[in-house]
Amino acid sequence: QKEVEQDPGPLSVPEGAIVSLNCTYSNSAFQYFMWYRQYSRKGPELLMYTYSSGNKEDGRFTAQVDKSSKYISLFIRDSQPSDSATYLCAMSAGHDYKLSFGAGTTVTVRA
Amino acid sequence: DVKVTQSSRYLVKRTGEKVFLECVQDMDHENMFWYRQDPGLGLRLIYFSYDVKMKEKGDIPEGYSVSREKKERFSLILESASTNQTSMYLCASRYTRQPQHFGDGTRLSIL
Repeated sequence: QKEVEQDPGPLSVPEGAIVSLNCTYSNSAFQYFMWYRQYSRKGPELLMYTYSSGNKEDGRFTAQVDKSSKYISLFIRDSQPSDSATYLCAMSAGHDYKLSFGAGTTVTVRA
Repeated sequence: DVKVTQSSRYLVKRTGEKVFLECVQDMDHENMFWYRQDPGLGLRLIYFSYDVKMKEKGDIPEGYSVSREKKERFSLILESASTNQTSMYLCASRYTRQPQHFGDGTRLSIL
C-alpha cells in the first residue's frame, strides 16, 4: 500500500464549478501538508502549505487537513480554464524530513 | 522569485552512456533534491544534499550518483544509462525547513 493515495482522475468540470481534490495517507507522523500545481511540461509549483489540522484559504483555494481521518483536501472555487493542470499532494513528518507525494490528479476546466 | 534551472528540457541518450543532468538555483538554498516522476508513481526521491559536498540517498538511488561542489549547483549522474531510467527528472531546492521549489524538469529518453 502506498503511503499517500491520490485519485488520479482525470477530473473534468465546467468553468465556474468547485473543484474538490483529496489525498489519504497512512503515516500518522505527517504534520506538514502541501499542494503543488503542475502544468503540462512544467515543474510543480507550490500552491498551499499547511501545518497540522485545520483550514487555510488563499484566494480561490482552500486547503483542509483532518489528521484524525488522515485526509487532506484542496478546493478550488470559481474554477477557470487556467486551473487545468495536475495537482499533487505532498506531506512530511517534519521540516527536515523527506516529502511523500501523491501520484497527482489531472484536472480539466472546460470553458 | 525562486529560479531553479535545469540545463536540458529534453535529452536522448543510448544505453550504457554516462549521463549528466545539471541543476542550478539562484536563491542560495542550502538543500537540493533530485526526483524522478513516472505516471502513476508520482515523484520519487533519488538523492538529496543538505549542503555543499554533502549527499544522502533517497528512496531509489540505485544506478545514480550526485555531485555538489558548489552551493548553487547539484548534478545527477547516470553511471551507465539503462532503458528503465527513461523518465522525467525534477530538481528542487529550498532553504532549510522551508517548502521545496522545483525546476521545469528534464525529460530523458534512453534508447
